[in-house]
Amino acid sequence: KQEVTQIPAALSVPEGENLVLNCSFTDSAIYNLQWFRQDPGKGLTSLLLIQSSQREQTSGRLNASLDKSSGRSTLYIAASQPGDSATYLCAVKRRISSGSARQLTFGSGTQLTVLP
Amino acid sequence: DTEVTQTPKHLVMGMTNKKSLKCEQHMGHRAMYWYKQKAKKPPELMFVYSYEKLSINESVPSRFSPECPNSSLLNLHLHALQPEDSALYLCASSQGFLMNTGELFFGEGSRLTVL
Repeated sequence: KQEVTQIPAALSVPEGENLVLNCSFTDSAIYNLQWFRQDPGKGLTSLLLIQSSQREQTSGRLNASLDKSSGRSTLYIAASQPGDSATYLCAVKRRISSGSARQLTFGSGTQLTVLP
Repeated sequence: DTEVTQTPKHLVMGMTNKKSLKCEQHMGHRAMYWYKQKAKKPPELMFVYSYEKLSINESVPSRFSPECPNSSLLNLHLHALQPEDSALYLCASSQGFLMNTGELFFGEGSRLTVL
């Protein structure tokens, strides 16, 4: 069974800081890993998708890395802004041969607050 | 267009009411999903449709009834719900399901309150 852990559950930083969010998973047989952002009461916005063959993906101030062997992914946010305040979730898609509801497993998220 | 559109955004219903949530995407995706999310928890998968056929039902109570009229539309029919069913209901889509390695796109959600 795939387990996905995100630590810390909450993080507060001053504006302008660079920060790293962590995502750990127990089963390294994955298709991909996706990072999402969720604002309170809203849907999930896809930030970055890393395929299992990739080591990192970048979009603007965001950089996501993937280390399958250690079961870890990090989301690096450069020069944080108050508008980055949200909950960040990672989700791991397992490599399985048949359809299963466990195919995509979410972490519980890290609630980020960037203070002005 | 990378949008998944959900209506209504907010819904309040009594336990005897019948209502429906609707979801639409025009990305040509062939897999569509319903998720349920409670406060401060990750989304939980409810149903998956692949090529307009129900592929996964995560042991969801029959008071929730999904329907996929065509490849762009996904409905969730609600009947005789309980207050504990109050949650954010999220629709998502992806290019495929079983072998899909692409992104999952979510809508903004429908906030359901059952009185």
